[in-house]
Amino acid sequence: GAGVSQTPSNKVTEKGKYVELRCDPISGHTALYWYRQSLGQGPEFLIYFQGTGAADDSGLPNDRFFAVRPEGSVSTLKIQRTERGDSAVYLCASSFPTYGYTFGSGTRLTVV
Amino acid sequence: DAKTTQPPSMDCAEGRAANLPCNHSTISGNEYVYWYRQIHSQGPQYIIHGLKNNETNEMASLIITEDRKSSTLILPHATLRDTAVYYCIVTDKLIFGTGTRLQVFP
Repeated sequence: GAGVSQTPSNKVTEKGKYVELRCDPISGHTALYWYRQSLGQGPEFLIYFQGTGAADDSGLPNDRFFAVRPEGSVSTLKIQRTERGDSAVYLCASSFPTYGYTFGSGTRLTVV
Repeated sequence: DAKTTQPPSMDCAEGRAANLPCNHSTISGNEYVYWYRQIHSQGPQYIIHGLKNNETNEMASLIITEDRKSSTLILPHATLRDTAVYYCIVTDKLIFGTGTRLQVFP
């Protein structure tokens, strides 16, 4: 596709459930980022992939959060035992190195 | 990681140039300066980036000081649709700060 695609666009889940958020980057982009953004705040870095490997996962808040990119393209952010505090917009971006990053429209996660 | 400092908010009259400053005094030699903006409820949008030379594209101009410790994003003829939060970022890891909320008024 022409842009970064994130699915679903909205997700409502119950506290304690497991969720997966998907990111389809622009074809050929080697770098992929995950962010989360709470209302009124700037995007908060979570994890960065270069190819298949997580080059930097220092932003993941705890071990309930995990992300994979097994073939160096599509990435999935996985959240276990969701909490109400996990409610946010989760953003994905992709790029060639040192080029501008293209962001998706995000997945709005609501934990009730 | 280099940190950035931006004013929290700015106003600009429609049709006038908007000049958004950013301080990045701890930038290292190989770090680029990126600018993004975010319009309410949308994902951040790439605007422009540069290393040491001034850059211009269809959206904006980027002026980087010779010592690279600060930069200015210039929107030459601001429109109401340019109202957004503008982020200046100087790390490869794209660490967002709080940005500048630009309000363009008629």
